[in-house]
Amino acid sequence: GAVVSQHPSWVICKSGTSVKIECRSLDFQATTMFWYRQFPKQSLMLMATSNEGSKATYEQGVEKDKFLINHASLTLSTLTVTSAHPEDSSFYICSALGRRDQPQHFGDGTRLSIL
Amino acid sequence: GENVEQHPSTLSVQEGDSAVIKCTYSDSASNYFPWYKQELGKRPQLIIDIRSNVGEKKDQRIAVTLNKTAKHFSLHITETQPEDSAVYFCAASPPNDYKLSFGAGTTVTVRA
Repeated sequence: GAVVSQHPSWVICKSGTSVKIECRSLDFQATTMFWYRQFPKQSLMLMATSNEGSKATYEQGVEKDKFLINHASLTLSTLTVTSAHPEDSSFYICSALGRRDQPQHFGDGTRLSIL
Repeated sequence: GENVEQHPSTLSVQEGDSAVIKCTYSDSASNYFPWYKQELGKRPQLIIDIRSNVGEKKDQRIAVTLNKTAKHFSLHITETQPEDSAVYFCAASPPNDYKLSFGAGTTVTVRA
């Protein structure tokens, strides 16, 4: 089955640090990848849609300068949380979409803790 | 945009009983409705999905029904087992968009 790898799985860092999270589709080409944020005991909230070779589309209320997304290849998208602060602490999950008639496949998520 | 409401927020059932979770959606153009199971700290896992050209779909103990007119869909789990305990999310997606709008989630606890 389709596998999406997300790294790192856990990050703890100081306030002001920038953190990069990688999302890779291992056995399929993902023309579109999605980045979600999930607070404890809450639902998944879509942050942005990333299409290979083009700029990401951000959802309303998501700061594009804060959450930099790059989708340089058909198998890799990265999310960089710039100058992270404690309020950015959350569970970040990516998903990848290959064929349009197939479901999205999720990565394992990255738990980000900003001290 | 799409708004998905999910009920109940928590559900406790006795092992062997059935569990039903209901969702409604706002965008009549939505045509894809997946259900995900998420265990604590883990990725959401697709358990079943349905498209708008189908009214019902079943996979062993899990079934989903869709009422396009009323804009609601439901997840049915029969013969529940302790390993069914998790948070379940419904979602909806419009055509040509592929974005998923998730419900708030239902925490299911199966009592042994």
